[in-house]
Amino acid sequence: QVTLKESGPALVNPTQTLTLTCTLSGFSLSTSGMRVSWIRQAPGKAPEWLARIDWDENKFYNTSLKTRLTISKDTSKNQVVLTMTNVDPVDTATYYCARTVGVNSHPHHDFWGQGTLVTVSS
Amino acid sequence: DIQMTQSPSTLSASVGDRVTITCRASQTISSWLAWYQQKSGKAPELLIYQASTLQSGVPSRFSGSGSGTEFTLTISSVQPDDFATYYCQQYNVYWTFGQGTKVEIK
Repeated sequence: QVTLKESGPALVNPTQTLTLTCTLSGFSLSTSGMRVSWIRQAPGKAPEWLARIDWDENKFYNTSLKTRLTISKDTSKNQVVLTMTNVDPVDTATYYCARTVGVNSHPHHDFWGQGTLVTVSS
Repeated sequence: DIQMTQSPSTLSASVGDRVTITCRASQTISSWLAWYQQKSGKAPELLIYQASTLQSGVPSRFSGSGSGTEFTLTISSVQPDDFATYYCQQYNVYWTFGQGTKVEIK
């Protein structure tokens, strides 16, 4: 079955770079049409989409965070990595990865990982 | 950016009630709308996509309708497992979520 699992540090100091990994199971990002997104949710807030990477290496970023984010994939490990530079306490959130599928021009998120809580604090 | 506005923010219901949640988009999004259910401490789960298509495995008491800028999620007869927070999400231009509607036990 399709599963995604996020991993990364639980605590990060302000100004540091955050690196998160999403490990995929039950599907491959080398398969045509497959995509994976990162989404975060601050405590008590609505989710916020961050970035997406496609099977063909196309990448998309949230406009307001674009300068701080990099998404990449390691097909051999079936993993997707998100880096966020210069983190701030406002980046404290649960970070999710989600499989993104459907119509090429308008894909949606069907399966989500369990999430990993990241706290930014000194 | 496309803004999504849900109403109400909180809704109190009894088991067996019919429940309707509304979501409005700041500009037309055709039918590119999804609904998610989120329980405390868990990831959102997809209920409906393309405004009215039920995700596999989701009970038929959930239904979605609408197009353009106005959408609704209906639970025909609320069950104990349905008390949760519900989010709409547009995916016409990137992805943005509504602020959520918490369905509470009356």
